[in-house]
Amino acid sequence: EAQVTQNPRYLITVTGKKLTVTCSQNMNHEYMSWYRQDPGLGLRQIYYSMNVEVTDKGDVPEGYKVSRKEKRNFPLILESPSPNQTSLYFCASSPGSGNTIYFGEGSWLTVV
Amino acid sequence: DQQVKQNSPSLSVQEGRISILNCDYTNSMFDYFLWYKKYPAEGPTFLISISSIKDKNEDGRFTVFLNKSAKHLSLHIVPSQPGDSAVYFCAASYNNNDMRFGAGTRLTVKP
Repeated sequence: EAQVTQNPRYLITVTGKKLTVTCSQNMNHEYMSWYRQDPGLGLRQIYYSMNVEVTDKGDVPEGYKVSRKEKRNFPLILESPSPNQTSLYFCASSPGSGNTIYFGEGSWLTVV
Repeated sequence: DQQVKQNSPSLSVQEGRISILNCDYTNSMFDYFLWYKKYPAEGPTFLISISSIKDKNEDGRFTVFLNKSAKHLSLHIVPSQPGDSAVYFCAASYNNNDMRFGAGTRLTVKP
């Protein structure tokens, strides 16, 4: 089954404690991205990757890092999480950047 | 600066009636528009799309209309069903660049 899988689905962490949200897709898609969803703001892109070893900033990259060492994986790293990073995060992939995007199920992150 | 705007955060409709969700955009370069549907505790799923060379695309109960001069698109659901209750996101992209999403509209279809 074609899917985008992200983990963990739910996490409560403390300010400053580094965390990683993993993302994996099995569709051999070149394009992957991370979004955060906040009330009244919709889905805002954090980072995206056009292919292996190619990453670029989206609209709200501050406080986040990503890496794309393999085509299928695109982890999101919060080096020093802060409460304003409490949000619902979605990983997504697509065959190309302008094509239909396939989303993971989301990761609820709370930073206290 | 939000380039894609959904000005109605919520919409309530009676089952069997038409649901109309609206979306406005500011970037005249956008050439591809999509609607996504999101249920609680799930990721958004693709619903329907339209290219800027068309003004209408239909898929079953769902029709998307594009008015390029007004920079407006809308999603019509006829007839609406309780299972259509979800948050609907409008999205737009241009020249295969990254997609921009609206804030979403929560549709409630009452039995």
